[in-house]
Amino acid sequence: GIQVEQSPPDLILQEGANSTLRCNFSDSVNNLQWFHQNPWGQLINLFYIPSGTKQNGRLSATTVATERYSLLYISSSQTTDSGVYFCAVGGFSGGYNKLIFGAGTRLAVHP
Amino acid sequence: DAGVTQSPTHLIKTRGQQVTLRCSPKSGHDTVSWYQQALGQGPQFIFQYYEEEERQRGNFPDRFSGHQFPNYSSELNVNALLLGDSALYLCASSLKRSGYTFGSGTRLTVV
Repeated sequence: GIQVEQSPPDLILQEGANSTLRCNFSDSVNNLQWFHQNPWGQLINLFYIPSGTKQNGRLSATTVATERYSLLYISSSQTTDSGVYFCAVGGFSGGYNKLIFGAGTRLAVHP
Repeated sequence: DAGVTQSPTHLIKTRGQQVTLRCSPKSGHDTVSWYQQALGQGPQFIFQYYEEEERQRGNFPDRFSGHQFPNYSSELNVNALLLGDSALYLCASSLKRSGYTFGSGTRLTVV
């Protein structure tokens, strides 16, 4: 099955700093999503981005499907950005899609 | 527009008991997937339901079973609970070829 690797595993930032999170995947995919998991366990969808570039406020993401990686950029980080960021990819199997998650990047933003 | 709703939010069960978790998908979504997330790990795919049938299954024993109803809602059943079944159980809904939306999860503790 598809393997998903995220880096770095842990990241500590001062408020206001910028960061880049990376997601590598081992096979062609037709779905890639970035999620933020808050301390209560809720997975918040940040981007649905199987290819291309998207931006939403201080966050942006780029997926280069041909090279099998995706990047999540966080600019001017805030303490509320703390939590775990997951990359999840999906590929069709028998006509049905399922998401495979990476191990996550744990981000702590200090004031 | 209601998102994915799960119930209950928390549950404590004794080893050997059976448990049923419930999920209502986001309006307009027809596919429901279940994930298990152990502490400090990424979500692991359990199975996916579409048109009231299990379409894909992850590496979970037969003690884990599910059902999808005509209104697309779903249940996850776990029999003969083990201490290792303690985890956050996440439900996600989707349409084919679209992104997934996750519920807030059910935190199951087996004692």
